[in-house]
Amino acid sequence: EAGVVQSPRYKIIEKKQPVAFWCNPISGHNTLYWYLQNLGQGPELLIRYENEEAVDDSQLPKDRFSAERLKGVDSTLKIQPAELGDSAVYLCASSSGPETDTQYFGPGTRLTVL
Amino acid sequence: SQQGEEDPQALSIQEGENATMNCSYKTSINNLQWYRQNSGRGLVHLILIRSNEREKHSGRLRVTLDTSKKSSSLLITASRAADTASYFCATAQGSNYKLTFGKGTLLTVNP
Repeated sequence: EAGVVQSPRYKIIEKKQPVAFWCNPISGHNTLYWYLQNLGQGPELLIRYENEEAVDDSQLPKDRFSAERLKGVDSTLKIQPAELGDSAVYLCASSSGPETDTQYFGPGTRLTVL
Repeated sequence: SQQGEEDPQALSIQEGENATMNCSYKTSINNLQWYRQNSGRGLVHLILIRSNEREKHSGRLRVTLDTSKKSSSLLITASRAADTASYFCATAQGSNYKLTFGKGTLLTVNP
């Protein structure tokens, strides 16, 4: 069974440019999460989807960040415009339900904003 | 804000020794989970302990939970060089089981 797939693995952009990250969860997993991980820190939740509905986006900086999960499968996280402080690893995870024990994480996208 | 805090921040041991990491948290939880993160890789789920459990084993891993002290420990026995990684505790809280991670313990196992 394939795990959570993310692309790209690495992205380097100039500040003020837009950037997008893509995530394909494990087949059959209805719950999808986007996390932000700064260097030396644990992941912090940005947004959680149940199917195509964003049920927890309280930590998503909505002035520049947006996310979508059309058809309740793949998801895209976008930053526009990117700032220097956005440099971090963006992790996607999925689970078969919000109360399920285990979240399965993808390898992440390492973003560097110059 | 981060709910769990791991201790120590870094730990260096020799292969074959045991490694113990601790996690403290602030508010009531549904369960507590431990994850491992190798350099350049994603997080891997190791073990989960529910709030009504006190101890759990999985292979060379042993987890304890003391809800009265709001703390947990992860013991890795007979460590191997391949155990070198960052270990994170994560607490699941609320009706939606939201996970909140700590800052992690960096474990180095020297061959």
